[in-house]
Amino acid sequence: NAGVMQNPRHLVRRRGQEARLRCSPMKGHSHVYWYRQLPEEGLKFMVYLQKENIIDESGMPKERFSAEFPKEGPSILRIQQVVRGDSAAYFCASSPLLERSYNEQFFGPGTRLTVL
Amino acid sequence: GQNIDQPTEMTATEGAIVQINCTYQTSGFNGLFWYQQHAGEAPTFLSYNVLDGLEEKGRFSSFLSRSKGYSYLLLKELQMKDSASYLCAVSRKAAGNKLTFGGGTRVLVKP
Repeated sequence: NAGVMQNPRHLVRRRGQEARLRCSPMKGHSHVYWYRQLPEEGLKFMVYLQKENIIDESGMPKERFSAEFPKEGPSILRIQQVVRGDSAAYFCASSPLLERSYNEQFFGPGTRLTVL
Repeated sequence: GQNIDQPTEMTATEGAIVQINCTYQTSGFNGLFWYQQHAGEAPTFLSYNVLDGLEEKGRFSSFLSRSKGYSYLLLKELQMKDSASYLCAVSRKAAGNKLTFGGGTRVLVKP
């Protein structure tokens, strides 16, 4: 059973360009979470999605950032018109259904975005 | 809101024991996780506590006191490969089990 997959692992963009980060959850997992980690800081929640639904986007900046998790295909985190402050590691985590109380989140390897 | 505090950095000697404390304030508590993160890598799951008490798993143990909003991760028989950041994270059921992380504790193991 493959783990959470993210690509690309490293992404370099110039200011003003768009960044697209992809996340394929573990097989059988229907919940996806995106987190951002700035250098030397802890992880910060951005958005929580289920298939075709954004459940909680309270951690997402209001502008330039969007996320989706379509019925088919990976979850996408999209950052438009990137700025230097967007440089960070972006981690995706997936989790199975929430019926049971214990729901471990499994993290992908992350995408390291560098904005020049 | 939520507040999760843990020390920034700790240093210990190979073979010794280190205890990393984490205090939290939250509503709708649904468990506390500890993750290990080596530099440049993804966090990997170490432990989960939702009830009070100690959970032991090999060289690593985790303790929780819900009334005190307190947890610790105990690393025994330290090895050089244990040098990493250790992340405390709280889950809230009402929030879809999203995790709120502390800033992480960087542990440096010296020979």
